[in-house]
Amino acid sequence: DAGVTQSPTHLIKTRGQQVTLRCSPKSGHDTVSWYQQALGQGPQFIFQYYEEEERQRGNFPDRFSGHQFPNYSSELNVNALLLGDSALYLCASSSQGAVPGNEQFFGPGTRLTVL
Amino acid sequence: GQQVMQIPQYQHVQEGEDFTTYCNSSTTLSNIQWYKQRPGGHPVFLIQLVKSGEVKKQKRLTFQFGEAKKNSSLHITATQTTDVGTYFCAGRGGATNKLIFGTGTLLAVQP
Repeated sequence: DAGVTQSPTHLIKTRGQQVTLRCSPKSGHDTVSWYQQALGQGPQFIFQYYEEEERQRGNFPDRFSGHQFPNYSSELNVNALLLGDSALYLCASSSQGAVPGNEQFFGPGTRLTVL
Repeated sequence: GQQVMQIPQYQHVQEGEDFTTYCNSSTTLSNIQWYKQRPGGHPVFLIQLVKSGEVKKQKRLTFQFGEAKKNSSLHITATQTTDVGTYFCAGRGGATNKLIFGTGTLLAVQP
């Protein structure tokens, strides 16, 4: 049983470019949450997808958008990249997205570097 | 907005010593989760506490949820080198009920 998978593992972009990160949730999970973790800090909640809709959103600008597909996989898109977007982007999956507090399983993350 | 702070930021102990990290929220929480992140790794779920005053144990780890549901602690008895990593609390509460991670405590264990 595969856990949460993310691709790519590492990515280097330049300012102004756009990036798409991908996540496949753990088998049986229907909810995907995305987090940004800057070096030495805790994960910051970006948004959560359940039933192909954005259910919750953190304090991130509209440059950050996402999508969830019918197979529960998800994408995180970031437009007009800034140097400050450099971080580890974590995807976490859980089941029964409408129920707060369920255990989340994190993927290995995508390390994004913006030059 | 809701803030979750942890102290200390960093703790260096000798193997066999005990370790405690404290988590404090600016708002009342509906539940709190604890995660461990090894250097270079991703957060791994440890436990969830829901009830006021709840105490849960996992081998050498003891987790507590405060009576007011605004603070929590993680205590490790007789640390081992495998305990090295950053411990995060993550609280859900406030008007939005979003999961907010704490600032983390980095534990270093010297053999």
